[in-house]
Amino acid sequence: SQQGEEDPQALSIQEGENATMNCSYKTSINNLQWYRQNSGRGLVHLILIRSNEREKHSGRLRVTLDTSKKSSSLLITASRAADTASYFCATSGAGSYQLTFGKGTKLSVIP
Amino acid sequence: EPEVTQTPSHQVTQMGQEVILRCVPISNHLYFYWYRQILGQKVEFLVSFYNNEISEKSEIFDDQFSVERPDGSNFTLKIRSTKLEDSAMYFCASSNTRQEEPGYTFGSGTRLTVV
Repeated sequence: SQQGEEDPQALSIQEGENATMNCSYKTSINNLQWYRQNSGRGLVHLILIRSNEREKHSGRLRVTLDTSKKSSSLLITASRAADTASYFCATSGAGSYQLTFGKGTKLSVIP
Repeated sequence: EPEVTQTPSHQVTQMGQEVILRCVPISNHLYFYWYRQILGQKVEFLVSFYNNEISEKSEIFDDQFSVERPDGSNFTLKIRSTKLEDSAMYFCASSNTRQEEPGYTFGSGTRLTVV
């Protein structure tokens, strides 16, 4: 399976700093997605990057994908206390309907 | 903004009982999914549903599980005889495409506790 594994497991930063989370996976993918989950809530889609893309931006989010290293990173710039949540990468293979999620990075942004 | 709605938000059931978890996907979406998240663990894929049939399922989705779209709006997950290890948060999701933005829209989940 396309297993996403994030690191670090937990990250604590001051408001205004940038937060970088990394994700590694094992097999070839069609796309990689990042989701956010507030405690006890559902998953919110943040951004999708296709396997033929290397970088994508959306607001304060920047995602990179390196298929040769089977890794991705999510950068949140100028973090806010409201960004406190768990962040998951999820991979999808060609011809597959399922997303394979990693364990997530728990981000705490201290005001 | 359109939402995926799940009911109930919490369900407590006795081991061996049947439970039905309900979901109302976004109305113009074509693909429907169930995922689960055992406390402290990864979100795991259970099943996908397209064109009124299961399109893909995981090893977790055994004969105890079934899905149905009974009336064109609801999407249900039934667990026939619950086990303690079925205790988890169950998420329904829907999407308009399979591999493109805007990704999947997830519901807020049903927390199932089997006692």
